[in-house]
Amino acid sequence: EPEVTQTPSHQVTQMGQEVILRCVPISNHLYFYWYRQILGQKVEFLVSFYNNEISEKSEIFDDQFSVERPDGSNFTLKIRSTKLEDSAMYFCASSTGGYTEAFFGQGTRLTVV
Amino acid sequence: AQKVTQAQTEISVVEKEDVTLDCVYETRDTTYYLFWYKQPPSGELVFLIRRNSFDEQNEISGRYSWNFQKSTSSFNFTITASQVVDSAVYFCALRGPETSGSRLTFGEGTQLTVNP
Repeated sequence: EPEVTQTPSHQVTQMGQEVILRCVPISNHLYFYWYRQILGQKVEFLVSFYNNEISEKSEIFDDQFSVERPDGSNFTLKIRSTKLEDSAMYFCASSTGGYTEAFFGQGTRLTVV
Repeated sequence: AQKVTQAQTEISVVEKEDVTLDCVYETRDTTYYLFWYKQPPSGELVFLIRRNSFDEQNEISGRYSWNFQKSTSSFNFTITASQVVDSAVYFCALRGPETSGSRLTFGEGTQLTVNP
């Protein structure tokens, strides 16, 4: 069964460092997303990406964040200068349409120290 | 603005009991989509069901059933004859019409513990 895969599963980084979280969405999906979940809290939307551009972003997704689809398969989230409060589980997701169910990857746990 | 409320933070049951997880939503959209996701202890988010606002039929899938009541803005999830493997956090989520973007708005989640 096709699935969304994310790497790495866990990343520890020092405050102020740049991190890139990687995702391979399901191959025939057209919409890509990043969500985050701070430990013990609800899942929050960060950004959606369609047709090679950001289609929607939340207030969390400020200038420190960027997304890219560098080739036909990968979808990345970059955090330019990490802060302690960026520590969270980051989920990548993809869907066939803007209203269909999103399938999530297993997440990348980011720890900023 | 959209909002999803899952008032039950934690529920604990004994195996084989039936359990209902409540979800109440708020939206001004006339077309919207409701979802349930399961987050087991391993952490991934597993899609369970999608329901369109114009389809109020209830759905049953094995031990799982969903009751969509537009009049009360609720989309409740019942597990019949619960099993230990059902222990997880369950999230209800809402998405607006395609024209308003594709973000999912999640509730706070309900931690379900099924004890043997």
